[in-house]
Amino acid sequence: AQSVSQHNHHVILSEAASLELGCNYSYGGTVNLFWYVQYPGQHLQLLLKYFSGDPLVKGIKGFEAEFIKSKFSFNLRKPSVQWSDTAEYFCAVNAGTSGTYKYIFGTGTRLKVLA
Amino acid sequence: KAGVTQTPRYLIKTRGQQVTLSCSPISGHRSVSWYQQTPGQGLQFLFEYFSETQRNKGNFPGRFSGRQFSNSRSEMNVSTLELGDSALYLCASSVILGDEQYFGPGTRLTVT
Repeated sequence: AQSVSQHNHHVILSEAASLELGCNYSYGGTVNLFWYVQYPGQHLQLLLKYFSGDPLVKGIKGFEAEFIKSKFSFNLRKPSVQWSDTAEYFCAVNAGTSGTYKYIFGTGTRLKVLA
Repeated sequence: KAGVTQTPRYLIKTRGQQVTLSCSPISGHRSVSWYQQTPGQGLQFLFEYFSETQRNKGNFPGRFSGRQFSNSRSEMNVSTLELGDSALYLCASSVILGDEQYFGPGTRLTVT
């Protein structure tokens, strides 16, 4: 069965530290990959997405992610986190064929950034 | 553009009752998906509709059903509520299937 694994459930960092959140998926076919973020009290919103092309994608607020096909991974990175990055981060995979897609979310990673 | 709206925002129901939740997608979005979010299970996919047709369904019992109207608005219904149905139900819309999704604020359902 298709699945998405986020290895870190809780991460605590100090401001200016670098961030890397792991995401692995299991699906052998073509996938669309996403990272969503949920700030406290706000809706889930898109951070970045990968459909095809350059495997290094840049999103909002200085986030980037790298798709490594051979490792089935789509890790999220930010060189220097800020207190305002405190949020829950979800990796998601959309897999399927034309006419039918299935969105699978990871269980999320809660990031706390200490000022 | 107005975002995804969900009504009601909060709901308290008793075991055995049924409930209907509503979602209005962003104008021009034809795909609507529903998710159940709980602290232990995270985001679980319920179903997705596109052009009034259910295109995909998650692993939930038949008590969970949905539909989409010609204006892309969607409803989901849960019959014979159980305590375990207490959760945040999220609706998300996208322009087409497989694209990035825009989420609503959710409906917080509490079953007592």
